[in-house]
Amino acid sequence: GQNIDQPTEMTATEGAIVQINCTYQTSGFNGLFWYQQHAGEAPTFLSYNVLDGLEEKGRFSSFLSRSKGYSYLLLKELQMKDSASYLCAVKDSNYQLIWGAGTKLIIKP
Amino acid sequence: GAVVSQHPSRVICKSGTSVKIECRSLDFQATTMFWYRQFPKKSLMLMATSNEGSKATYEQGVEKDKFLINHASLTLSTLTVTSAHPEDSSFYICSATKGLAGSYEQYFGPGTRLTVT
Repeated sequence: GQNIDQPTEMTATEGAIVQINCTYQTSGFNGLFWYQQHAGEAPTFLSYNVLDGLEEKGRFSSFLSRSKGYSYLLLKELQMKDSASYLCAVKDSNYQLIWGAGTKLIIKP
Repeated sequence: GAVVSQHPSRVICKSGTSVKIECRSLDFQATTMFWYRQFPKKSLMLMATSNEGSKATYEQGVEKDKFLINHASLTLSTLTVTSAHPEDSSFYICSATKGLAGSYEQYFGPGTRLTVT
């Protein structure tokens, strides 16, 4: 079957750096997405990786290794507003998005 | 831009009634729209994929006669929860892509919180 694994919950301190990992086993691969979702709101797009390597976008970076079936989302200079769930999703060979359960990130002052 | 709206944002209905949720792409034509539901502290669960002018493709386990989806135009898809029951209470989210399902980004609506009493 298809599977996406990410930690259920992480805690970090304001101003620090946190890395959220995601591993996947899917039938084919057509890209990996990271979305941010605040409680009670819809997800918002953060990043997209289809080739190996690091994509940097401001305080957020996303890394992909297709051979390892692995990605991470790196958040720098954490702010209280970064407290949210972070969803990893992979588009499989049928271009269907397979969603992880999400990682709840708690930021402490 | 790529803005998707949903209406209503919140709805409370009585058990046995039907509820219609609208999803609109405001500034682009959405060939493909997706309907998700999400339970508290759980990830998104895809219910169905909807292409304009054709029947929706439902995921396994989703009752198509209970969750009626209509994608009548390139900017509007509707989800009707028929004969709603308390277990249908959930957060329903739609998303849309600018092209075919292979297009890489989905734009999400703000979601609709359905409570069935």
